[in-house]
Amino acid sequence: EPEVTQTPSHQVTQMGQEVILRCVPISNHLYFYWYRQILGQKVEFLVSFYNNEISEKSEIFDDQFSVERPDGSNFTLKIRSTKLEDSAMYFCASRLPGGTEAFFGQGTRLTVV
Amino acid sequence: AQTVTQSQPEMSVQEAETVTLSCTYDTSESDYYLFWYKQPPSRQMILVIRQEAYKQQNATENRFSVNFQKAAKSFSLKISDSQLGDAAMYFCAYRDFDKLIFGTGTRLQVFP
Repeated sequence: EPEVTQTPSHQVTQMGQEVILRCVPISNHLYFYWYRQILGQKVEFLVSFYNNEISEKSEIFDDQFSVERPDGSNFTLKIRSTKLEDSAMYFCASRLPGGTEAFFGQGTRLTVV
Repeated sequence: AQTVTQSQPEMSVQEAETVTLSCTYDTSESDYYLFWYKQPPSRQMILVIRQEAYKQQNATENRFSVNFQKAAKSFSLKISDSQLGDAAMYFCAYRDFDKLIFGTGTRLQVFP
């Protein structure tokens, strides 16, 4: 069964460093998303992406964040200068055109020290 | 703005019994989608069941079913014949245009 794949599963980075989280969406999906879950809290929407541009972004998704689809298979989330409060689980998701549900990856746990 | 509320932070159930998790939401839309996601200790988000608002019939997936009350804006999840593997966080979610709005979750414990 096709699935969304995220790498790495766990990343530790120093405050102020740049980090790139990688995702390989399901191959025929065209809508892509990033969500964030701070430990013990609810899952929050960050950004949606379609046709090589951002469709919608939340207030959390400030200038420190960017997304990119560098080739036909990868979808990345970059945090330019990480803060302690960026420590969270980051989920990538993708959806078929016309599909009703998004399929989530297994998540990347980001720890900023 | 649309909101999703899960008023039960924790629930517990004995194996083989039935448990119902509550969810309410607020929207002015007439057509929308609602979902229940399961998050086991591995923290992966797994879709359990979905409901389309224009469908009168409650969705069912094996042991999982929903009680969708559109007028009351209520969307509860019923788990029948609970199994140890059902122990997880359960999140109710509303699809707002093209993003999901999640509730705060209910932690379900299953006792043997």
